[in-house]
Amino acid sequence: NAGVTQTPKFQVLKTGQSMTLQCAQDMNHEYMSWYRQDPGMGLRLIHYSVGAGITDQGEVPNGYNVSRSTTEDFPLRLLSAAPSQTSVYFCASSPGPYNEQFFGPGTRLTVL
Amino acid sequence: RKEVEQDPGPFNVPEGATVAFNCTYSNSASQSFFWYRQDCRKEPKLLMSVYSSGNEDGRFTAQLNRASQYISLLIRDSKLSDSATYLCVAGGGADGLTFGKGTHLIIQP
Repeated sequence: NAGVTQTPKFQVLKTGQSMTLQCAQDMNHEYMSWYRQDPGMGLRLIHYSVGAGITDQGEVPNGYNVSRSTTEDFPLRLLSAAPSQTSVYFCASSPGPYNEQFFGPGTRLTVL
Repeated sequence: RKEVEQDPGPFNVPEGATVAFNCTYSNSASQSFFWYRQDCRKEPKLLMSVYSSGNEDGRFTAQLNRASQYISLLIRDSKLSDSATYLCVAGGGADGLTFGKGTHLIIQP
């Protein structure tokens, strides 16, 4: 049981480039979320999904897209990277809306 | 805006001491409460859930005061390995979970 996996672990982009951060879970959880964590800001919710085919915006969605075609996968797309998107990105999954969230190991993204 | 407020610290505590920290949450409809631990450059991991009656897990005790919207964590006989950032979490349901910014704990030998 791998839990929540994220790839890549590290990424450097130039301003304007696009990329997709991958997230997968093997626990059959319905709920999945993407957070970014910046110094002094804590975890901020970007997008979340309550099940396959359903996504919604969190606190800081601008500049990011998500899709949820399967229960297992929840990729996060950066459309046109900006230096303000330099951050650590965590994906999380949960069995339900009141349960603990399980986090992936994170992706450290630098945008130059 | 739903918020969870924590003292960022750092709390510098000698090994073997007891340390307590707290957080407050703004959303009175919160139903789920947790403490997470986050080590430097790692993902947050669940330390313990927090129940209305209070609960204990080894050296760790968590308390919830719904009337005051206040959650606490007590660590007894602190170990060097307890050094980490502790995240307070409240929420659940349609409102989702809200994470505090964390309290940084340093256990000194």
